[in-house]
Amino acid sequence: RKEVEQDPGPFNVPEGATVAFNCTYSNSASQSFFWYRQDCRKEPKLLMSVYSSGNEDGRFTAQLNRASQYISLLIRDSKLSDSATYLCVVNTGTDKLIFGTGTRLQVFP
Amino acid sequence: GAGVSQSPRYKVAKRGQDVALRCDPISGHVSLFWYQQALGQGPEFLTYFQNEAQLDKSGLPSDRFFAERPEGSVSTLKIQRTQQEDSAVYLCASSLELGFTNEKLFFGSGTQLSVL
Repeated sequence: RKEVEQDPGPFNVPEGATVAFNCTYSNSASQSFFWYRQDCRKEPKLLMSVYSSGNEDGRFTAQLNRASQYISLLIRDSKLSDSATYLCVVNTGTDKLIFGTGTRLQVFP
Repeated sequence: GAGVSQSPRYKVAKRGQDVALRCDPISGHVSLFWYQQALGQGPEFLTYFQNEAQLDKSGLPSDRFFAERPEGSVSTLKIQRTQQEDSAVYLCASSLELGFTNEKLFFGSGTQLSVL
């Protein structure tokens, strides 16, 4: 079993839709969690950190469920520019950041 | 420099050839990571440095892969006797420090290696 698992998608949604991605992790000692965004043929860039209490940044909301060992990303009012791959990243507690395979989102007009 | 710089941007190698990939992290960044990203996959961890110390090399696929960061700044990933399965994008990332904090990783644009 992979340490960090994501549904690869693709998720095809119309503009204005709300879409949610989940990510599960296997190491219960994992300490910190992130969502990165990767555009086609580009490097990953930090989208947001995920805090225990949940956090929101504009149209984006991230949540952590330690009991079930998953994190989620909710995108409201999707824009065409949100089309990208969303990577779940977990610090496993040994200062090693492990990436999921990514979930591809395609927003259409 | 302003960001993480990797060179070359593209590298084509004949099978069996040795290659060296360079990463120049953001000045002052303590941590440096190498990742391998195959097409359609997420980045796979290869190795991690804090300053010049290689703290984790558990992700290196074989002993043909070697990484160094002798002065705690520039790092080189060397692949000996390249094989077709080594074809991937090699990403370097750096961060100011790493611990149980929400530190941001800054990635370079990567080196796309194609082994023929």
